[in-house]
Amino acid sequence: EPEVTQTPSHQVTQMGQEVILRCVPISNHLYFYWYRQILGQKVEFLVSFYNNEISEKSEIFDDQFSVERPDGSNFTLKIRSTKLEDSAMYFCASSRRLGPVEQFFGPGTRLTVL
Amino acid sequence: AQKITQTQPGMFVQEKEAVTLDCTYDTSDQSYGLFWYKQPSSGEMIFLIYQGSYDEQNATEGRYSLNFQKARKSANLVISASQLGDSAMYFCAMREGRNNAGNMLTFGGGTRLMVKP
Repeated sequence: EPEVTQTPSHQVTQMGQEVILRCVPISNHLYFYWYRQILGQKVEFLVSFYNNEISEKSEIFDDQFSVERPDGSNFTLKIRSTKLEDSAMYFCASSRRLGPVEQFFGPGTRLTVL
Repeated sequence: AQKITQTQPGMFVQEKEAVTLDCTYDTSDQSYGLFWYKQPSSGEMIFLIYQGSYDEQNATEGRYSLNFQKARKSANLVISASQLGDSAMYFCAMREGRNNAGNMLTFGGGTRLMVKP
């Protein structure tokens, strides 16, 4: 069964460093998303991406964040200058189409900022 | 106001019994979707079940069913015949239809379910 994959599973970085989190969405899906979950808290929407551009972003997704689909399979989230409060689990998700259809989540990348 | 409310932070259920996890939602949209995800201790988010606002029948997927009461704005998850492997966090989420070009899901705070042997 096709699934969303994410690398790395765990990333440790120093405050102020740039990180890139990588995702490979399900191959025939057209919509891609990033969510984050701070430890013990609810899952929060960051950004959605379609047709090589951002469809929507939340207040969390400020200028420190960017997303890119560098080729036909990868979808990346970059944090330019990490802060302690960026420590969280970051989930990539994808869906076949727009609308109330299921979004399939990857296993997540746990980002720890020291 | 919270868009998705899960009032049970933690619940216990005896193995093989049924359990209901509560979820209420708040939206003024006519078209929306409700989702349940399971998050085991390993951290991944597993899609369980979906209910559309226009669906007349309650959604079912194996041992999972969704008790959808539109007038009350509730979408409770029912797990029948609980298994030890059902122990996890369960999140209710909503996708609203209006002004949602980005297909954003809004999540509740979750319910931790613990199945007792």
